[in-house]
Parts: sequence; structure tokens; C-alpha cells
Amino acid sequence: QQQVRQSPQSLTVWEGETAILNCSYEDSTFDYFPWYHQFPGESPALLIAIRPVSNKKEDGRFTIFFNKREKKFSLHIADSQPGDSATYFCAASNSGGSNYKLTFGKGTLLTVTP
Amino acid sequence: GPKVLQIPSHQIIDMGQMVTLNCDPVSNHLYFYWYKQILGQQMEFLVNFYNGKVMEKSKLFKDQFSVERPDGSYFTLKIQPTALEDSAVYFCASSSSGNTLYFGEGSRLIVV
Repeated sequence: QQQVRQSPQSLTVWEGETAILNCSYEDSTFDYFPWYHQFPGESPALLIAIRPVSNKKEDGRFTIFFNKREKKFSLHIADSQPGDSATYFCAASNSGGSNYKLTFGKGTLLTVTP
Repeated sequence: GPKVLQIPSHQIIDMGQMVTLNCDPVSNHLYFYWYKQILGQQMEFLVNFYNGKVMEKSKLFKDQFSVERPDGSYFTLKIQPTALEDSAVYFCASSSSGNTLYFGEGSRLIVV
């Protein structure tokens, strides 16, 4: 049973467009939802994260939209740049005290074409 | 940002042999994780620690896997014996809060 589902598997957008990456989750106890990005040959790094107290979180060109009722959240990358080309992973965790762990989606390979 | 160090960066090993992957987390981080990633795809959780103690092992954590913290600082992931399907990049990560994970550069393991 996959707890965090991510789509699309791959996405190509033109430079300047908005890229939209989607995730959904099953476990209603999840209360922390980060997005990580990973460039080829590198390790994943935190990009932006949200908690369910908010339905939107912005950081520059990156925005998370969160829908608690539908158990969905998405990452919008505005004014996409070729340097944004990477694999993006959504993830989820719950505040399980000492047993925090992130469950990752399968990733979206984003290609931004100049 | 904080640095998590992994050794080796890559290793090629014959099937059936033993391999030990090492990770030095950020010094004051209490949360520690091992993840497995195949071909740049999903990060799959293997095992996590809190304050040096194992909290949870996933179904992927086969009997051939073992984890240790030899001297209270760095962590090891040992696979004995290795199988072809163990070929992957193994990432360790640490965290001070359990939320933001800082990943090492990964150990690319190729089992032939």
C-alpha cells in the first residue's frame, strides 16, 4: 500500500510557465508535508514544507497548496527556469514523537525547456 | 547547510560478499535514517534511529541487513550477503527535529 502518491511521473514545461506537481496521501495522521528536490547525481534537499494549519505556503517562486479534506497537496513552480530541472519528491510524516520518519512519493522528473 | 558524510561514495562488489556503508551525521542531530534509492526513483525508508536507538525497520530491511553505531558517533549499514537487488544508492540522513532531513551524498552500491 503506497501511502504517498505522486503525479505526474514526468513533466516538461517551457521556460516561464508554471509547473504543477501533485501529491495525495492516505494516512490522516500525517501532519507535515515537505517537498524535496534532487538534481542528477546529488542528494535530495528540502525545498519547501507545509503543515495542515495552513492551506498555502509560499517561498519565492515555489508555492504549496494544501487540501486537507481531499488529502491532496501540490507544488506550483512559477516562472519555471531551466535550472529548476530536477526530480521533485513530495513526502509526508506525522508528529510521532521520537519515531519521525518521512514517507516519500515516487518522484516527478521535471524538465524545463528554454 | 549541515554536512552529512557518507563513505564510500561508490562500491562494486561481488554478489554474496559483505559490504559496510558508513555515515557520519550532523553532530547534534538525534534523528537518523537510512534510505534506499534505485535509479533516481523513490526514496524508500529502511530504518530510523532516535538518540542512537532503532525506532523502526521497514519491510525492505531484510535479515541480511544490520545497522550499528560502533562508537556512538557514526552509523553503519551492513549487508551480508549481498544480492543483485541490493544494487542502489543508499542515503543516510540526520535531523535535529525529525522534520528537515539533511542527506548525505549517498553510497552507490553495485552488486555484480
